[in-house]
Amino acid sequence: EVQLVESGGGLVQPGGSLRLSCAASGFTFSSCWMLWVRQAPGKGLEWVANINQNGREKYYVDSVKGRFTISRDNAKNSLYLQMNSLRAEDTAVYYCARHGLAAAGFFDYWGQGALVTVSS
Amino acid sequence: DIQMTQSPSTLSASIGDRVSITCRASQSIDSWLAWYQQKPGRAPKVLIYKASTLESGVPTRFSGSGSGTEFTLTISSLQPDDFATYYCQQYKGYPYIFGQGTKLEIK
Repeated sequence: EVQLVESGGGLVQPGGSLRLSCAASGFTFSSCWMLWVRQAPGKGLEWVANINQNGREKYYVDSVKGRFTISRDNAKNSLYLQMNSLRAEDTAVYYCARHGLAAAGFFDYWGQGALVTVSS
Repeated sequence: DIQMTQSPSTLSASIGDRVSITCRASQSIDSWLAWYQQKPGRAPKVLIYKASTLESGVPTRFSGSGSGTEFTLTISSLQPDDFATYYCQQYKGYPYIFGQGTKLEIK
């Protein structure tokens, strides 16, 4: 059974940093593109970043470029999102997800989400 | 960036109704479109990809159609479990963009 479990969410002050982790199991993690999607309270879904199988190809939404870094450790079956210079508008539930078959750009498995709150 | 516009934003319907949700892209995305269902407090679940391909395990009352700039998600006979919010998502190119969502409510 495919499982994605996020951790590392919490309350952080504006300008602060936080690192989210996603532990993957039930599939060959090193063969899959992975990504993060976020959802602000009461709002819609926003793709944040994704990463290819070996970690050398990464893409970001403009609003997080230069502040967030996506990475992975295939030996630990883990995906990460390092978030720096956090702003109030980064407050959201952050979902870890897996790209669909053949690295297609839809997302077939999702974690339960980790809440990040940026507030003083 | 490619913009995605869903309509309606809210839809009220009854059990057994046939309903459709439309998603329009600001430029052609061929068939690179997915549909998701999300229930409160839960992660989204993919229903349809490549505009019309049903994800494994999804009931056949769900169907998708369209190509280019106009797409439709149809539920042939609403069941109690279908009341949720639905999102379309384009994956023709970066940034991947979701529609703003359609909330399907019980009439």
